[in-house]
Amino acid sequence: SAVISQKPSRDICQRGTSLTIQCQVDSQVTMMFWYRQQPGQSLTLIATANQGSEATYESGFVIDKFPISRPNLTFSTLTVSNMSPEDSSIYLCSVVRTNTEAFFGQGTRLTVV
Amino acid sequence: GENVEQHPSTLSVQEGDSAVIKCTYSDSASNYFPWYKQELGKRPQLIIDIRSNVGEKKDQRIAVTLNKTAKHFSLHITETQPEDSAVYFCAAMDSNSNSGYALNFGKGTSLLVTP
Repeated sequence: SAVISQKPSRDICQRGTSLTIQCQVDSQVTMMFWYRQQPGQSLTLIATANQGSEATYESGFVIDKFPISRPNLTFSTLTVSNMSPEDSSIYLCSVVRTNTEAFFGQGTRLTVV
Repeated sequence: GENVEQHPSTLSVQEGDSAVIKCTYSDSASNYFPWYKQELGKRPQLIIDIRSNVGEKKDQRIAVTLNKTAKHFSLHITETQPEDSAVYFCAAMDSNSNSGYALNFGKGTSLLVTP
């Protein structure tokens, strides 16, 4: 398995501000992913963050709104920029080991007021 | 892209009964199918998975079956217990695609096991 530390675990933010979420993994991984889980909904992939290259964003998500950093093989950040109440969600980072098994961080519960 | 459909959205069973959750997928290139259990306020946890070269896999009370021809897979939980109550998500992945190991999730099934 993988130990993934994600923080903050929750935050309440004012609209128009930005929040950076951090994800730290206990060992080096090539692929990291960021998902969004809106209240009572399923998980939707925001982007794939591979070290040494720009993040790849899914349809409906753009870099200006969700900038991602991946400075090394154990760490990534996701920023939610210029927040609005519609951004209220749980944001989860995920890593995949070589056998395709995916593990998730504990999530960041974001409330925008 | 891949589209994963999951049914039912809610399922209520009596303790000791079996529960079955079904998923279909659209991309025939998908080759890895995990199931996640998510308890309220917690992260999704992998409970079982199956790869495309296998038709069935079992782990104690949990089993998964895969029909590649029909492009559907199912989760079976036998002898259900109240602690099985949670939301269950199926997912599909094409590990050979350009998106690498990204998962496409079904919409989830809220399972309630009543004593």
